[in-house]
Amino acid sequence: AQSVTQPDIHITVSEGASLELRCNYSYGATPYLFWYVQSPGQGLQLLLKYFSGDTLVQGIKGFEAEFKRSQSSFNLRKPSVHWSDAAEYFCAVGETAGANNLFFGTGTRLTVIP
Amino acid sequence: DAGVIQSPRHEVTEMGQEVTLRCKPISGHDYLFWYRQTMMRGLELLIYFNNNVPIDDSGMPEDRFSAKMPNASFSTLKIQPSEPRDSAVYFCASSEYVRGEQYFGPGTRLTVT
Repeated sequence: AQSVTQPDIHITVSEGASLELRCNYSYGATPYLFWYVQSPGQGLQLLLKYFSGDTLVQGIKGFEAEFKRSQSSFNLRKPSVHWSDAAEYFCAVGETAGANNLFFGTGTRLTVIP
Repeated sequence: DAGVIQSPRHEVTEMGQEVTLRCKPISGHDYLFWYRQTMMRGLELLIYFNNNVPIDDSGMPEDRFSAKMPNASFSTLKIQPSEPRDSAVYFCASSEYVRGEQYFGPGTRLTVT
């Protein structure tokens, strides 16, 4: 069965510092992978997605993520964090065959300190 | 496009009352999803539709929950009767392609007292 693990519940970084949020998945084939961001009181917004091809994908707001098949990981990175990046981040996996639903991780809450 | 629209944004009701949540997907999107988000269980898929037809409702917690999509531009999620443990944020999302990204609405925060 598919599953997504985000091992870090809460991360605190200083503004301007680099960021890496971890995501590991369990799926028998190459999945579709997504990162979403949720600001307080808001819905989820898509940051980036991986379907196939180049394993390093660029997203909005300066985020990027790298798909590593050998590690079953899809970590999210940003070289310099801004205070406005404080939010909850969700990794999600979709199946390449079968159902059309996404499986979400439990999320990582990012706090940015000045 | 205005994005996915949900109403109401907030709902406070008493236990035993009927609650109806509404969703308007993005025009042209053939897939519609209902999710529930709680601190304890995170984001859970309740049900999804393809071309107005329910495809997978295995996430619907109980018979008290029902969802309909009478046309391509409108869906409802109904809870009858509501219970305090139904308190959560309910999201609607839509997508265009069979495995495309999902676009989420702002959510409805439901509080059942």
